[in-house]
Amino acid sequence: QVQLQESGPGLVKPSETLSLTCTVSGGSISSYYWSWIRQAPGKGLEWIGFLSYSGGSTNYNPSLQSRLTISLDTSKNQFSLKLRSVTVADTALYYCARASVVLELDVWGKGTTVTVSS
Amino acid sequence: DIQMTQSPSSVSASVGDRVTITCRASQDIKNWLAWYQQKPGTAPKLLIHAASNLQSGVPSRFSGSGFGTDFTLTIRGLQPEDFATYYCQQTNSFPFIFGPGTKVDIK
Repeated sequence: QVQLQESGPGLVKPSETLSLTCTVSGGSISSYYWSWIRQAPGKGLEWIGFLSYSGGSTNYNPSLQSRLTISLDTSKNQFSLKLRSVTVADTALYYCARASVVLELDVWGKGTTVTVSS
Repeated sequence: DIQMTQSPSSVSASVGDRVTITCRASQDIKNWLAWYQQKPGTAPKLLIHAASNLQSGVPSRFSGSGFGTDFTLTIRGLQPEDFATYYCQQTNSFPFIFGPGTKVDIK
């Protein structure tokens, strides 16, 4: 079955760019929609953004939009997140997920923790 | 943007109890609502999509209902493995906001 795995640095300095990759295995990335979600320590889920299977359509959380890019690499069956000018408020557990028929998130990665600190 | 609220924020219950969690959207989202369960240290798990459709593999003691702005997740006959935090999410229009969560813990 389809599995997702997040990867990227666990520590990022303030003002730098946070870059994460989600690798999709067991299925094609070209058949579904894809999302990033994060969860600050002890907090609830925050929807970050959404990417169409063609990579041609993206939608971002307005609170992050000015700093955010989500993109697709079909050759590697991966999609990625880049968040610029990070602050300590961006410290969180970051999840990637697949969005299914009515855009519900039916497959999730295990998550990767990113800490923003100097 | 559509805002999502959940009530209660937490509930204490016993094994075998019936638990009802409410999710409210700030505007009409038709049936574009999903429910997730999250246990500590694990990723969220999809329980219900399109407000009332049980995800494959999810026990039938979970059910969802509602349309428009008011939705309910019901757990009938609470089991030890059901103690977790539950989130609703609207997928009607971007951004796909989650509710703040409802923690179900042991009485």
